Amino acid sequence: SQKIEQNSEALNIQEGKTATLTCNYTNYSPAYLQWYRQDPGRGPVFLLLIRENEKEKRKERLKVTFDTTLKQSLFHITASQPADSATYLCALEQSNYQLIWGAGTKLIIKP
Amino acid sequence: DGGITQSPKYLFRKEGQNVTLSCEQNLNHDAMYWYRQDPGQGLRLIYYSQIVNDFQKGDIAEGYSVSREKKESFPLTVTSAQKNPTAFYLCASRRGQGGEQFFGPGTRLTVL
Repeated sequence: SQKIEQNSEALNIQEGKTATLTCNYTNYSPAYLQWYRQDPGRGPVFLLLIRENEKEKRKERLKVTFDTTLKQSLFHITASQPADSATYLCALEQSNYQLIWGAGTKLIIKP
Repeated sequence: DGGITQSPKYLFRKEGQNVTLSCEQNLNHDAMYWYRQDPGQGLRLIYYSQIVNDFQKGDIAEGYSVSREKKESFPLTVTSAQKNPTAFYLCASRRGQGGEQFFGPGTRLTVL
């Protein structure tokens, strides 16, 4: 069956360091992969989308990589700040345009 | 400002009651979605609609119903047939097929 896995344990990072979050998937060949940020009690907010033929995408301090051979996406936040603390969700876009969601990884940036 | 609104923010339901969650968008998006979020799980799709007067079941539609009479509105009814309705419900919209989804602030439903 199709499966998306994100680190279930919270990731603690010191302020100023680079945070790296992982999204692994099996039994699927997505055309797109998306990353969202979700704060407690609120709806997710879109961050980045990367296509299967793109290796890397950047937006300000954010960088996403997509390795279709490893079936893995990495999400990096450079120069991390306490305000970056949130849960980050990855989602795969199916051929019928529906999204399959990971459970998210909670990121905590310590001052 | 354009966006998606959901109401109420918190909702309490007695067992055996039907309740309706509101979702309105002024983004002029064609597609709208309802998701359910439970702790430790990814978002699960309940229903979606690509166009007015048409909607399709998602992965967990049992015990839920929707309507799409207007482009701006996509209300979700949680019926008494839904045995475990306590969850955080999220409404989203998208301009067309594929790409970014825009989410509302969510409704937290609790069964008493």
